[in-house]
Amino acid sequence: GQQVMQIPQYQHVQEGEDFTTYCNSSTTLSNIQWYKQRPGGHPVFLIQLVKSGEVKKQKRLTFQFGEAKKNSSLHITATQTTDVGTYFCAVVNFGNEKLTFGTGTRLTIIP
Amino acid sequence: NAGVTQTPKFQVLKTGQSMTLQCAQDMNHEYMSWYRQDPGMGLRLIHYSVGAGITDQGEVPNGYNVSRSTTEDFPLRLLSAAPSQTSVYFCASRGPGVWETQYFGPGTRLLVL
Repeated sequence: GQQVMQIPQYQHVQEGEDFTTYCNSSTTLSNIQWYKQRPGGHPVFLIQLVKSGEVKKQKRLTFQFGEAKKNSSLHITATQTTDVGTYFCAVVNFGNEKLTFGTGTRLTIIP
Repeated sequence: NAGVTQTPKFQVLKTGQSMTLQCAQDMNHEYMSWYRQDPGMGLRLIHYSVGAGITDQGEVPNGYNVSRSTTEDFPLRLLSAAPSQTSVYFCASRGPGVWETQYFGPGTRLLVL
């Protein structure tokens, strides 16, 4: 099945600094989804990317799908304490409809 | 809509005990799935179902059984709990298209002693 590696595993940033997490695959991906999980909470869907080179924005969050569709990134500008949590990428296998998650990046904000 | 609900929220079991984790959704979603989440491992798929009467194995199915007799419910059964099954369990559902948003329940925290 499709495997995705996510880096870094942990990131500590000062409030107001930017944050980026990366999702990489050795194979071409058909799509990529991003989820956020607050501490003690459940994953919540953020966005889905399907096109090569696609860039989508949600307020301070920018999502990008690589030209070769083998990597993706989530960038947060000027982090706030509400951004604390773990960010996961995930890919859908269209053959069996399984959703495979990356290992996640845990973001901590230093006030 | 309540979305995806899970019971219980917390459970402590002794090794060898059995239990059923309940999951229900009121969005008429055909696709439902169970994940377990362990530190540093992300979310791993246990079992999934594409509709009533149809189930299939995910990445880590051993030690778990599922059935899907209705569209709404997708229970997960642990027949003989082991300490390695200590984890947080999430149920999720989505509409029929693979593009559709997946909705997660609040989770069940299970400790097996």
